[in-house]
Amino acid sequence: ETGVTQTPRHLVMGMTNKKSLKCEQHLGHNAMYWYKQSAKKPLELMFVYSLEERVENNSVPSRFSPECPNSSHLFLHLHTLQPEDSALYLCASSQAHQGSYYGYTFGSGTRLTVV
Amino acid sequence: KQEVTQIPAALSVPEGENLVLNCSFTDSAIYNLQWFRQDPGKGLTSLLLIQSSQREQTSGRLNASLDKSSGRSTLYIAASQPGDSATYLCAVSGGRKGGSEKLVFGKGTKLTVNP
Repeated sequence: ETGVTQTPRHLVMGMTNKKSLKCEQHLGHNAMYWYKQSAKKPLELMFVYSLEERVENNSVPSRFSPECPNSSHLFLHLHTLQPEDSALYLCASSQAHQGSYYGYTFGSGTRLTVV
Repeated sequence: KQEVTQIPAALSVPEGENLVLNCSFTDSAIYNLQWFRQDPGKGLTSLLLIQSSQREQTSGRLNASLDKSSGRSTLYIAASQPGDSATYLCAVSGGRKGGSEKLVFGKGTKLTVNP
């Protein structure tokens, strides 16, 4: 399989549940990202991992917890979410080499509904 | 803080028309600008990446220009087709850490091409 794969595609969870979103990239990229896309708002950067180290945490509530066990996998662990957390969660990866940047590749996203 | 604005928010045209989508950004100190396409409920597909040293990029019927000094980019679509119907997103680099590149997105232009 190629590109960036996200699972599940759709998730409905109650406010007391714990679930995890998974992202896997098959491109050999060295950085991975979580973005949140809500209706009527621009994509919001949540977390950035470069070479498996978290380099950005964009004031995201602690009910969202990222994990990057290796350069190919990224998780977003969810617990005690609120209805306003319902959104499309997008994973992306990118490659930088010797100061040059080659653009983002996005996954298809996970549509999360919190009830 | 970098802000990205896209005009118009929505555009409806008949098939065959040439059209221009606009993107403006407040901080001209960017590394690159990237145009994406998003179909409903899906992830983002990269269309064109313009490095800060470049002024334009072309791919098929698409041409994107970049004027850093004025903080503007345009995406030109020639001979539009119904399959071009989607939301088009502009993103500029908002900073680099390690091998990662942080993107700041506009809200997008929703394009409808009518047969």
